[in-house]
Amino acid sequence: DIQMTQSPSTLSASVGDRVTITCRASQSINTWLAWYQQKPGKAPKLLIYKASSLESGVPSRFSGSGSGTEFTLTISSLQPDDFATYYCQQYKSYWTFGQGTKVEIK
Amino acid sequence: QLQLQESGPGLVKPSETLSLTCTVSGGSINSSSYYWGWIRQPPGKGLEWIGSIYYGGSTYYNPSLKSRVTISVDTSKNQFSLKLSSVTAADTAVYYCASHYNQYYFDYWGQGTLVTVSS
Repeated sequence: DIQMTQSPSTLSASVGDRVTITCRASQSINTWLAWYQQKPGKAPKLLIYKASSLESGVPSRFSGSGSGTEFTLTISSLQPDDFATYYCQQYKSYWTFGQGTKVEIK
Repeated sequence: QLQLQESGPGLVKPSETLSLTCTVSGGSINSSSYYWGWIRQPPGKGLEWIGSIYYGGSTYYNPSLKSRVTISVDTSKNQFSLKLSSVTAADTAVYYCASHYNQYYFDYWGQGTLVTVSS
């Protein structure tokens, strides 16, 4: 099984900050990685797929990078709507999610 | 644009079988481009993939749940279903159905339905 580990678990930031979330895979997943945003009481929303491809309609302040076992999600300038929990997910072998990173207001 | 909607009982007794259905609209469940999956989220916790199915009937299950999970598809109703047997309180969660493009990422999600396991 491929395990996904995100860091940090919680991140405190202010509007306008540059925010980076890391996701590590227990084995190489090439670029078979997606990122999701989830707000309380809502379903997750796809942000990034294939590690760095931006889903249609997602603001360009979101970007993804990485390959192999280490990946990052970056929000270039945090907006009020971005306070949420973010999950990475691998799809190289079945489907596994990271444990999530909550971005909260500092 | 695909839309998915979960339906089923919100309360299930311990040791019984949880049954949920996902109705797909805005597209055909027969699409060769999509797989159909179930994901759950216990209250206050993260996301766990349960299993997925292709319209032709191929199924993929989370190894940790495989012995208790059955996913099926009804192409005539444009629906797919989840059965989880021998449930315990640990199976209390919001259950989501979702589509995944070519077995890849989950692109369309249902709104989720809370299932509580309690006597």
